[in-house]
Amino acid sequence: GQQLNQSPQSMFIQEGEDVSMNCTSSSIFNTWLWYKQDPGEGPVLLIALYKAGELTSNGRLTAQFGITRKDSFLNISASIPSDVGIYFCAGQIPGNQFYFGTGTSLTVIP
Amino acid sequence: ETGVTQTPRHLVMGMTNKKSLKCEQHLGHNAMYWYKQSAKKPLELMFVYSLEERVENNSVPSRFSPECPNSSHLFLHLHTLQPEDSALYLCASSQGQGGYGYTFGSGTRLTVV
Repeated sequence: GQQLNQSPQSMFIQEGEDVSMNCTSSSIFNTWLWYKQDPGEGPVLLIALYKAGELTSNGRLTAQFGITRKDSFLNISASIPSDVGIYFCAGQIPGNQFYFGTGTSLTVIP
Repeated sequence: ETGVTQTPRHLVMGMTNKKSLKCEQHLGHNAMYWYKQSAKKPLELMFVYSLEERVENNSVPSRFSPECPNSSHLFLHLHTLQPEDSALYLCASSQGQGGYGYTFGSGTRLTVV
């Protein structure tokens, strides 16, 4: 199947700092999604992207659909303790399933 | 109830047991999925049902048997599992092919002893 590489694998940051993470693929996708998973819960959709170059925000979160269509980026501004969790990217080729990345684990130190 | 509900939340079973995982979605979606989530690995798609018909089976061992009696319910029947099958099993649903994303349940944490 398709392989999505997320980096970094884990991050430890101070509360108030900004966070950046990315997801790259060897394939071109038409849809990119970003999910967050809290411990003991299922992933929750944060942002969906449908067009190359698209920049979409959801509160303090901003995600971008890379212009090559092979990558996507997620930024979190002014992190807070409840941002802790694992962030997953997912990409879809039309008519196909979504492929998920391995996740970026975020720890926010108060 | 809203969203996608999975039961049980936790399950411990022996290798000779038979058990079932249940998933129910209250979103009016027409596709449902089973995923396996193991540590340090991407989510692994196991089964896809669209309009209650299985459309994809990603070479999952026969000790996992899915059932989709209607568009709101999905089961995963388990028998003679192995310790390496211990994982978080996630159910998800979507409308169509999920262009607006999948909605996930909270998962069943399965431990095979």
